[in-house]
Amino acid sequence: AQSVAQPEDQVNVAEGNPLTVKCTYSVSGNPYLFWYVQYPNRGLQFLLKYITGDNLVKGSYGFEAEFNKSQTSFHLKKPSALVSDSALYFCAVSFVGGTALIFGKGTTLSVSS
Amino acid sequence: DAGVIQSPRHEVTEMGQEVTLRCKPISGHNSLFWYRQTMMRGLELLIYFNNNVPIDDSGMPEDRFSAKMPNASFSTLKIQPSEPRDSAVYFCASSLSAGDMYNEQFFGPGTRLTVL
Repeated sequence: AQSVAQPEDQVNVAEGNPLTVKCTYSVSGNPYLFWYVQYPNRGLQFLLKYITGDNLVKGSYGFEAEFNKSQTSFHLKKPSALVSDSALYFCAVSFVGGTALIFGKGTTLSVSS
Repeated sequence: DAGVIQSPRHEVTEMGQEVTLRCKPISGHNSLFWYRQTMMRGLELLIYFNNNVPIDDSGMPEDRFSAKMPNASFSTLKIQPSEPRDSAVYFCASSLSAGDMYNEQFFGPGTRLTVL
């Protein structure tokens, strides 16, 4: 079965420190991987995606993610966190021939000043 | 473009009443998705339309839920009769799709439904 896991419900970091939000997946075949962010009382916003090519993907607001096929992971990273990065982050996966985007349960990122 | 538009933004109704949620996708997008978000179950796909045709409705909870897309610029999600357990935030999203799900989806602001 196709699935995506975000093992941490919450990640806490201090402003200025690097942040990582973890995501692992399980799909048949080659995956399409996405990160979305949701601010309070708002819809999800697209951050970045991996379809093919370079394993390091850069996205909005200074975020990046690295596709690791051997570890079936797609962790979200940022070199220096901002308080304004505090939000709910979703990893999502689809695959060739798939008809749905499968979302993880989300990780709440809290950046303290 | 105004993005995905949903209405109403908030809906409070009593158990047993009919509820209709509305969505206008981004112009030019040919795929439309309805999701439901709750604390307990997270984000769930309810139904997916491609070129106005329902492709996957396996996430629709039960017969009380129905969705239509009469044209490329409008979709509705109806719950009849509504129950308290339907209380959730309902999102509509759209994308430009050639079949595979490799294009990002654009989400509307959501409708917060409360069924008393």
